[in-house]
Amino acid sequence: DAMVIQNPRYQVTQFGKPVTLSCSQTLNHNVMYWYQQKSSQAPKLLFHYYDKDFNNEADTPDNFQSRRPNTSFCFLDIRSPGLGDAAMYLCATRAFPAHNEQFFGPGTRLTVL
Amino acid sequence: EDQVTQSPEALRLQEGESSSLNCSYTVSGLRGLFWYRQDPGKGPEFLFTLYSAGEEKEKERLKATLTKKESFLHITAPKPEDSATYLCAVQAESGGSYIPTFGRGTSLIVHP
Repeated sequence: DAMVIQNPRYQVTQFGKPVTLSCSQTLNHNVMYWYQQKSSQAPKLLFHYYDKDFNNEADTPDNFQSRRPNTSFCFLDIRSPGLGDAAMYLCATRAFPAHNEQFFGPGTRLTVL
Repeated sequence: EDQVTQSPEALRLQEGESSSLNCSYTVSGLRGLFWYRQDPGKGPEFLFTLYSAGEEKEKERLKATLTKKESFLHITAPKPEDSATYLCAVQAESGGSYIPTFGRGTSLIVHP
């Protein structure tokens, strides 16, 4: 089945230790998104790609970076995680303009010790 | 600025007790309103897209409706497995055409 896959599902890191989260999709969607979601809050958009065009949200901290080496894969790098970066990180895709809805992966739960 | 407000924040129902969740929005030019279901520790799962006032969509015990200012997600005779957080999002013409604005969600618990 076509889907959005995120690895790892759970990531534990130490304060200041870099971490990379990955997302892959078999949907061949041209738009990919990275969201941060904390408990009882709306997903907060960090980055999105329209094909290879990278878009950084204005309030995304410099500590966060992203790469999309090809259509299928996208990575989220957190260079120096702080306690406030503990959250669920969601990857989503969309076929624009054919479809309006987003398809989400299962998420990666990041814990910072 | 586009805004999405969901109410209530949390809702507890008894099995079989029908109710509605609300999503009110302020956008300049609505391209679409989306409902998602999110189970604890998982990513949101797409439920419905509504495009214009008066539109309705149904799926099992769920029915979504849309007016010019708000959307309702009606849950008829809910079961415990309907327990989840329900997220509403809107796609506005001003949002780069592919950046939706999400609400904070309504956490629904259905007791057996």
